[in-house]
Amino acid sequence: DAGITQSPRHKVTETGTPVTLRCHQTENHRYMYWYRQDPGHGLRLIHYSYGVKDTDKGEVSDGYSVSRSKTEDFLLTLESATSSQTSVYFCAIRQGSSGAEAFFGQGTRLTVV
Amino acid sequence: KQEVTQIPAALSVPEGENLVLNCSFTDSAIYNLQWFRQDPGKGLTSLLLIQSSQREQTSGRLNASLDKSSGRSTLYIAASQPGDSATYLCALQTGANNLFFGTGTRLTVIP
Repeated sequence: DAGITQSPRHKVTETGTPVTLRCHQTENHRYMYWYRQDPGHGLRLIHYSYGVKDTDKGEVSDGYSVSRSKTEDFLLTLESATSSQTSVYFCAIRQGSSGAEAFFGQGTRLTVV
Repeated sequence: KQEVTQIPAALSVPEGENLVLNCSFTDSAIYNLQWFRQDPGKGLTSLLLIQSSQREQTSGRLNASLDKSSGRSTLYIAASQPGDSATYLCALQTGANNLFFGTGTRLTVIP
């Protein structure tokens, strides 16, 4: 599992509530990523981080924010959850920015009701 | 934007057969291509990574090739086993900070 832990693994939440997902890594990798996986769309990048306090948006970032206060932790927050954010969320890590292998966590299944 | 296509979407083969999974992409300016395996309800497991300058990589019964000029990669699985049943995803890194994924091929190996 390349030292990646996602929590929680499953969550059901109500529309309009804030939700925070956590990704924790033990490998001291610089780059961390949040993806969502939906049927018919594959995996799409939400946000990524290239260092402590350094983050940027991916292709589906609306409604999401992230924070990285420590190398090992990357948090994804749904500011006000909507049903369209029901998905499986994956965290990934990479040591370098280009050419390096990416490793993924086990995923968090989020259901917004 | 990079478009990644995997055909077929699903494939069933009898145990022992050799098979090829296909991945095509539109932008040849890539850093690398990575093949993953995903079991139902699980995360992604990295199988093979091919750098942009390489033509192929091998790991056990798996061999992946990369042809940037034609925008294609193949994953060859030799002597398939029921345990190979999973969804196989290809992903391309085209910039410093993203992987573009195909939607995968769901493989079923029938005992």
